[in-house]
Order: sequence, then C-alpha cells, then structure tokens
Amino acid sequence: GQQVMQIPQYQHVQEGEDFTTYCNSSTTLSNIQWYKQRPGGHPVFLIQLVKSGEVKKQKRLTFQFGEAKKNSSLHITATQTTDVGTYFCAPRGTGANNLFFGTGTRLTVIP
Amino acid sequence: EPEVTQTPSHQVTQMGQEVILRCVPISNHLYFYWYRQILGQKVEFLVSFYNNEISEKSEIFDDQFSVERPDGSNFTLKIRSTKLEDSAMYFCASSLDGQDYEQYFGPGTRLTVT
Repeated sequence: GQQVMQIPQYQHVQEGEDFTTYCNSSTTLSNIQWYKQRPGGHPVFLIQLVKSGEVKKQKRLTFQFGEAKKNSSLHITATQTTDVGTYFCAPRGTGANNLFFGTGTRLTVIP
Repeated sequence: EPEVTQTPSHQVTQMGQEVILRCVPISNHLYFYWYRQILGQKVEFLVSFYNNEISEKSEIFDDQFSVERPDGSNFTLKIRSTKLEDSAMYFCASSLDGQDYEQYFGPGTRLTVT
C-alpha cells in the first residue's frame, strides 16, 4: 500500500522565520493536495499539484511537486502567528478518489 | 460560500450502542466522504460514496460501519456497536467530482464512547 512520510512532525519557529514541511511517498503519485488544520478546526484545502516539477505560490506559501512525482514540499516565508496549525499533505495514487493524509507537521509560531 | 455541515457537534455514547452521524454535503457535489481523526493524530480515510454506492473504503471501515444517503441532502455514517477505540473526531467531506477536485470538510462530530 501507499506509504507517506511527512517531516518534521513538529516545528517551532520565531515569528518571521521561514518554515518548510516535506512529504515523501513510496509510490509515484497522480497528484498531491495540501491541507491546513487550525487547532480545533477541520482540514481546509490549500492547493493541488499535478504536474511533475510544478511550483505554485500563494502569497508567502510556495508549494513544489518533485520531478519524479514522489515528493512535495510546502515552504512558508516569514511566518506569522496566523500560520499556526497542522499542515497535511494528501497524496493521491492513480485512479483513487479518496485522500490518504500524511502524518502532518504541526507548526507553532512564537510571537 | 456553501459549506458542509455536520450534526451533532459532540456525541457521547456508551460502548455497544449505535450512533448515527449526520452530514449535509454541498448541494451540487457528487462525491461524499467520511474521515476520522483520533485526538492528536492524522486524518484517516474511512469511505467514499458516489452515485448512491460506496466507491472506496479503507480497512478501518469494517462491518460495524455503514453509510447511507437517505434523501437528496443528508449523508450519514452509522456505527452499529461502538467501541472505546471509536472515540474520535469524524469529518464528513464532499467534492464536486472525483480525483482532481478539492474536498470541502465539515466542522466534524466529536464522538466519545464511554
């Protein structure tokens, strides 16, 4: 079955520092989605990456999909306290409609 | 903006009892999902539902679980005989179509089995 590793599990940063979380799959992916879950909240869709080597930006967030479509990263530039939460990657294999969430990276931003 | 709603927000039940968790997906969405999240852990897929039948299910979704779309708006998850380890947050989600579409999650139902 599909194995998904997300690192790091936890990250504490000072406000203004950068943050990166990585998602690695054992199998080639059809696409990958990223979700954010605020403490006590529900997952909220951030982005979907489909093409090999794709890079997408949303303000301070940069998402990358690896050339081999087996890994992805989310980078946040100059973190703010509003970035606090757990970031999950949700890779999708070929033909699958369901999401298998990664283990998540819990981000804490220290003001 | 349309949203997925879930009721109740919190359900407390005794071990062995049946519970029904309810969801109202976004009206023009075709795919519906249930996920669960044990406190502090990752979100786990349970089941997806399309065209009035289960399209995929995980190993977690065993015979004690069932899903139903009893009318044109509700989507329910039934747990027949709850166990202590069923205590978790249960999220319903829906998407416009299948694989290439984002999923919209409801606020969740916190199930506590005592």
